[in-house]
Amino acid sequence: RKEVEQDPGPFNVPEGATVAFNCTYSNSASQSFFWYRQDCRKEPKLLMSVYSSGNEDGRFTAQLNRASQYISLLIRDSKLSDSATYLCVVIAGGSYIPTFGRGTSLIVHP
Amino acid sequence: NAGVTQTPKFQVLKTGQSMTLQCAQDMNHEYMSWYRQDPGMGLRLIHYSVGAGITDQGEVPNGYNVSRSTTEDFPLRLLSAAPSQTSVYFCATHGAGPYEQYFGPGTRLTVT
Repeated sequence: RKEVEQDPGPFNVPEGATVAFNCTYSNSASQSFFWYRQDCRKEPKLLMSVYSSGNEDGRFTAQLNRASQYISLLIRDSKLSDSATYLCVVIAGGSYIPTFGRGTSLIVHP
Repeated sequence: NAGVTQTPKFQVLKTGQSMTLQCAQDMNHEYMSWYRQDPGMGLRLIHYSVGAGITDQGEVPNGYNVSRSTTEDFPLRLLSAAPSQTSVYFCATHGAGPYEQYFGPGTRLTVT
């Protein structure tokens, strides 16, 4: 079983829709969690960190569920520009080496 | 402040050729890493370094060498290129804090 798993999608949604992705991780010692965004043929860039209490950045909300070992990303009022691949990243406690999920593809259409 | 730079952007090699992918950062970060990204496989760690003079293997190190003589530079060497090394290669760096990774723009390598 891969350490970090994501549904590859693609998630195909209309503009204005709300969409949510989940990411499960297998290492219960994981301590740091992130969502990265990767546009086609570009490098990944940090979208947001995921805090234990959950956090929001504009239309984006990230949550952590330690008991079930997953993190989630909710995007409200989707824009065409949100079309990208969203990568889940997990770092175990005491480590500085991130483990990347394979990414979830989002396509927002008019 | 250029962040993380990689050269070349594109490269075509013949099987058996060698080459060096360059990576440089001006963020004064200690940690640097090399990843390869293949369709359906996600990002896989090749080698990483926690500071000048210190390197270690990642998940897929075979066929690649690295060295870290300065904080700024972390070149990746392909000793004898194979078609299985056709991929997109990303260099990344991060500081000692919240581990936000900063990636270079990537090198697209094709081995024929």
